[in-house]
Amino acid sequence: EAQVTQNPRYLITVTGKKLTVTCSQNMNHEYMSWYRQDPGLGLRQIYYSMNVEVTDKGDVPEGYKVSRKEKRNFPLILESPSPNQTSLYFCASSLSGTGELYGYTFGSGTRLTVV
Amino acid sequence: AQTVTQSQPEMSVQEAETVTLSCTYDTSENNYYLFWYKQPPSRQMILVIRQEAYKQQNATENRFSVNFQKAAKSFSLKISDSQLGDTAMYFCAFMKQQGAQKLVFGQGTRLTINP
Repeated sequence: EAQVTQNPRYLITVTGKKLTVTCSQNMNHEYMSWYRQDPGLGLRQIYYSMNVEVTDKGDVPEGYKVSRKEKRNFPLILESPSPNQTSLYFCASSLSGTGELYGYTFGSGTRLTVV
Repeated sequence: AQTVTQSQPEMSVQEAETVTLSCTYDTSENNYYLFWYKQPPSRQMILVIRQEAYKQQNATENRFSVNFQKAAKSFSLKISDSQLGDTAMYFCAFMKQQGAQKLVFGQGTRLTINP
């Protein structure tokens, strides 16, 4: 089944404790992206990647890191999480050139709480 | 920069009624794509309908249709014969035709269908 897999689905952590949210897609998509969803703000892009070893900042990159060492994986790293990073996170991917046709394929989301 | 505005934070209608969700956007681009996504309580992001800006004809997908007014930069979603399963958060989104495939989302409208 074609899908984007995110883990974990829920995570509660403490301020300052490094964490990684994993994202993997099995569709050979070139383009991958991370979004965060907050009430009243919709979804905002954190980082994106056009291909392996090519990443760039989105609209709200502060406090986040990403890497794209393999085409299928695009982990989101929070080096020192803070409470304002409590949010619902989505990973998404699209086959380059068809994102406009089908939108994105989204993961099922990660609910992160930083206390 | 592009912005998307959904002015109705919440809506509620009775089952079988027709409901229209509003969306306006701001862009200097001439070629772009517009989307409506549905997010049920499961959190999954589901593409409902898409519209190419160069097409004058409004997109339709079964009970879902849009009213695309390019000059007014308006993109409303109409749900006919609403069903309980339509209860969800709905997001309007914009994507430029050229460049990185970034989706810009509105704030969302929480739609409740009452039995």
